Amino acid sequence: EAGVTQFPSHSVIEKGQTVTLRCDPISGHDNLYWYRRVMGKEIKFLLHFVKESKQDESGMPNNRFLAERTGGTYSTLKVQPAELEDSGVYFCASSQVAGGYGYTFGSGTRLTVV
Amino acid sequence: GQNIDQPTEMTATEGAIVQINCTYQTSGFNGLFWYQQHAGEAPTFLSYNVLDGLEEKGRFSSFLSRSKGYSYLLLKELQMKDSASYLCAVNRGSQGNLIFGKGTKLSVKP
Repeated sequence: EAGVTQFPSHSVIEKGQTVTLRCDPISGHDNLYWYRRVMGKEIKFLLHFVKESKQDESGMPNNRFLAERTGGTYSTLKVQPAELEDSGVYFCASSQVAGGYGYTFGSGTRLTVV
Repeated sequence: GQNIDQPTEMTATEGAIVQINCTYQTSGFNGLFWYQQHAGEAPTFLSYNVLDGLEEKGRFSSFLSRSKGYSYLLLKELQMKDSASYLCAVNRGSQGNLIFGKGTKLSVKP
């Protein structure tokens, strides 16, 4: 079974530019989560999709962040325009059922805004 | 507020036993997870506790006391490959949105 795939693995962009991160969950997993780890801090929840619907987006920092999951398969997270404080590692996770048990994480995208 | 505390770093010797503690204060509790994360890799699931007591899985065991807001991860017969960060995370509700601690970086020395 293929795991959760994220790309790119690394991205370096200038402040003010746009970046789109992609997550391919495990096939058949309806639940998809985005998390972020800023340097020196803990991993923090961003949002949760159930199929193509946003179940909870309470962790999204501001309206510069836009997440989509068209068709309920892969998801994208766009940051526009990027700011220096957006630097960090963005993780995606998927699960067959909600509730946390059976989460599989991707390896993350390391975003550096300069 | 939501708070999960765990030691920042620990060092142990190959073959020994190490206990990593985690205390939490969260609004809502629906299980506690331990993940292992090697540098640059995905966090991988180690254990899940939702009821009080000890869960054993091979060399790894995890304990939970809900009344004390306390958990620990016990690693036995340490191996060099156990050098990694260990993340404590609480599931507050039914949807699986986890709150993480900052992680404990464990270094295993020969």
